[in-house]
This record gives sequence, structure tokens and C-alpha cells, in this order.
Amino acid sequence: DSGVTQTPKHLITATGQRVTLRCSPRSGDLSVYWYQQSLDQGLQFLIQYYNGEERAKGNILERFSAQQFPDLHSELNLSSLELGDSALYFCASSGTSGIYNEQFFGPGTRLTVL
Amino acid sequence: AQSVTQLGSHVSVSEGALVLLRCNYSSSVPPYLFWYVQYPNQGLQLLLKYTSAATLVKGINGFEAEFKKSETSFHLTKPSAHMSDAAEYFCAVSFSDLYSSASKIIFGSGTRLSIRP
Repeated sequence: DSGVTQTPKHLITATGQRVTLRCSPRSGDLSVYWYQQSLDQGLQFLIQYYNGEERAKGNILERFSAQQFPDLHSELNLSSLELGDSALYFCASSGTSGIYNEQFFGPGTRLTVL
Repeated sequence: AQSVTQLGSHVSVSEGALVLLRCNYSSSVPPYLFWYVQYPNQGLQLLLKYTSAATLVKGINGFEAEFKKSETSFHLTKPSAHMSDAAEYFCAVSFSDLYSSASKIIFGSGTRLSIRP
């Protein structure tokens, strides 16, 4: 158990809909990262937050947005969903935003768009 | 530009045999390198990391990796494979963006390791 929790575990929805994925980092970790894992794209970094502020952006679509709240939990919002958005979405956390820091991954949320 | 290449999307070895998973990186700044493992239906967990202290890095579960700057490689090895090693392995490079100074990480495409009885 990494100490990172993600809810829900599974999510099934229809195209065009909007969903919110939630992540609680390990106790004391200030950095939260979001990743998308799919068979064709592999593991893609989406976005990073550090202590409530956006720190780095990866391959995140404009239809997707995220935020980190004062209690350090984070939410990833996916809107106007398409079939291709079906994937595993991972959240990870680390103590700081340093490049040498290990990231602790949550168990993921499996999103299926029908 | 920074990048990570994992050679071989699937590697199969016999139980007790040597495991070798290849990773080459490209980085214009000193890299920090990681190996993560993902077991079925789980998130990734750190196996080991290179942060310039020592070129040979020992990790969990008997794995180790050697940083070779001249070859820009960070291959993962284990002398004797065990059935429980069957998983997906990801090499990653972490670096500071030159313009924003934000830390970034790039993962390789992953190598699925199968163990034959």
C-alpha cells in the first residue's frame, strides 16, 4: 500500500459526459501528479501540482483540467468524453517537487467510455 | 530533448535465468533515472533510482541497475528470475525543465517480463 488513495476504482460513462477523479496523496506529500495509461499511448504524464499550484504540464488535453485543494487532495476533471479517453488514470505523490524524488502511485481509476 | 527508450516490449526468461531489461536515455542535463514495476491491476512502485551517488544501484527484490554515461544506458538486471517477477517494468528519466525549472519525468514505453516455469 503506497498510501495514495484514488476514487472511484472503476468508472463507466458515456461519450460527451463529464467525470471527476479524486486523489488523496500520502500524508505530508505536497506534490501530486496525474498520469494516463492506455494500451496505445503507454504511460503519459498529464499534470503536476505542488502545494496547490500547477507546477508542470504534460500531454493534457484542453478538455481535461485538474486542481489541488488546500487539504492537498486533487481532482482530475475530464469533460466531453470520447471513446479514446478510456484508460487507467493514476495519481502519484511525492514529498517535494524535486526531480530526484520517488513518486508513490495510487491504485488507479479505470475509466471506460461507451 | 529528454527521452527514454526501452528495447523490447516483451521479454520472456526461464525461472532461475538472468533477467536483463534494457533502457537507454537521452538527456541534455544530468539525469535522474528510475525503474518502476507495475504488477497486474496495481499502480507503479519504485524498484530503484540513480541520483549520481553511485553508478551501480541496488533495488528491491534483488534487482540492480548500472548507470553507464558513455552508453547512455541504465539497464535493469537480476541474476535469477523468480515467478513473482512477472510484471511490467518502466524506466523513467527525471529532469529540471531549463525554462520553467519545473521537474518533469518521462516514462519509457514499458517492458513486460514473463517468467517460464
